[in-house]
Amino acid sequence: QLQLQESGPGLVKPSETLSLTCTVSGGSISSRDYYWGWVRQPPGKGLEWIGSISYSGNTYYNPSLESRLTISAHTSKNQFSLKLTSVTAADTAVYYCARRERRSGYSDYWGQGTLVTVSS
Amino acid sequence: DIQMTQSPSSLSASVGDRVTITCRASQSISRFLNWYQHKPGKPPKLLIYAASTLQSGVPSRFSGRGSGTDFTLTISSLQPEDFATYSCQQSHSTPSTFGPGTKVEIK
Repeated sequence: QLQLQESGPGLVKPSETLSLTCTVSGGSISSRDYYWGWVRQPPGKGLEWIGSISYSGNTYYNPSLESRLTISAHTSKNQFSLKLTSVTAADTAVYYCARRERRSGYSDYWGQGTLVTVSS
Repeated sequence: DIQMTQSPSSLSASVGDRVTITCRASQSISRFLNWYQHKPGKPPKLLIYAASTLQSGVPSRFSGRGSGTDFTLTISSLQPEDFATYSCQQSHSTPSTFGPGTKVEIK
C-alpha cells in the first residue's frame, strides 16, 4: 500500500524559507506513470495546487508561486521536497504531498498533511 | 488560469436524500475533472476522476457526469459518513485548479 508522509518545521518566520519533505513508501517515485506534487489549504479556504515533479525531474509550478518555489526529487531516498522562499502569513496552510496520475491528472494518494504557520 | 466555481457553497440534507453538486469551469476542460471528499483533519479523498470514473473502493452511490465546462457530482442516497466538503479539480491545464468546495451538512 502506497503511503506518503510530510515532514518539516511547523513554524516558519516571515521572510524565511519553508522546507518540507515527502517520504514515499510502498512505491517508487521513479515510476513513469505518476508525478509527485504538493497541494495546500490555507485556514478556512479551498485547496491550492502548488506544483509537481515528474519521474524525469521535469517540474510544473503554479505561476502564482513560481518565483519563490522549488520542487525537487531525491530518488535514492524515495523522497521529494518543497522549498518556498520569502514566506508571509499568506503562506500559512496545511501542506499535503500527493501522487498525481500522469495522464488524467488526478491525485489518488495523499499524505496526512502538515500545518505550517508563518509567524514571528 | 482556469477558474472553477461550485454551487451551492453549502447545503443541508438528510440521510437518504439525493444530493447533486455542480462544478463549472471558466473554459472547456474536456473531461479532465476530478472530485474529492474532504473531512476536517484528513487529506482529500479521490471519489471520481475523468468526470465520471469511480475511484476504486468508492461506493457506487457516488456518480459524476459532464464534459466541457459543466459537471455534476451526485450522491444517490446520502449516508452519515458522507457529510463532508466536496471539491472539484480541473487537471486539463497547468496550473491545476480546485473549486471552492461545497459543504454538505446534516439537516
